[in-house]
Amino acid sequence: GAGVSQTPSNKVTEKGKYVELRCDPISGHTALYWYRQSLGQGPEFLIYFQGTGAADDSGLPNDRFFAVRPEGSVSTLKIQRTERGDSAVYLCASSLRGASGGANEQFFGPGTRLTVL
Amino acid sequence: AQSVTQPDIHITVSEGASLELRCNYSYGATPYLFWYVQSPGQGLQLLLKYFSGDTLVQGIKGFEAEFKRSQSSFNLRKPSVHWSDAAEYFCAVASGYGQNFVFGPGTRLSVLP
Repeated sequence: GAGVSQTPSNKVTEKGKYVELRCDPISGHTALYWYRQSLGQGPEFLIYFQGTGAADDSGLPNDRFFAVRPEGSVSTLKIQRTERGDSAVYLCASSLRGASGGANEQFFGPGTRLTVL
Repeated sequence: AQSVTQPDIHITVSEGASLELRCNYSYGATPYLFWYVQSPGQGLQLLLKYFSGDTLVQGIKGFEAEFKRSQSSFNLRKPSVHWSDAAEYFCAVASGYGQNFVFGPGTRLSVLP
């Protein structure tokens, strides 16, 4: 079956511009996550959705970052007034909710490499 | 809040040699533990996971990991490394009720022929 897909694979933008990154999770996965991975580092949690609602957005670095998942499937990460420090690979992952409501395996997409000039 | 350390930034081993990658976590309750591998240009792939039960878990590609509560560790092992194992390895921890995964900084594995 299809895995997690992310578009675009690469995005180059200029400082101050607005960007949208899209994630299509695995069908039937209720949980969706966004991470940011800078060069030489591990993924850093940004936000987690359970269904349509953001269950935990504590990882969003500031109010320039926003994410939505209006129908509980596809999600869009939106970054306003981009800065050079936003350059990173943005990863999306999805998972089934664990049997006990706890953590379960996350399936990752290939990521979107964002470069802010 | 949970945290993860991977003390080794870069490890080099010869093909056929054994491997152990270290992972230490900090979490107040029983953690959910994971090892992921990331090859150049590829997405993260799950190698194995620990939720409960047997503390020695088997994963894909011949990897295994052992959960040691007393040492707050979840080290990854492989008895004989193949050249295709060269990649970046990430340990991750999650809480039982939250869904926030915390990843370690990663260990880059190089394999000599």
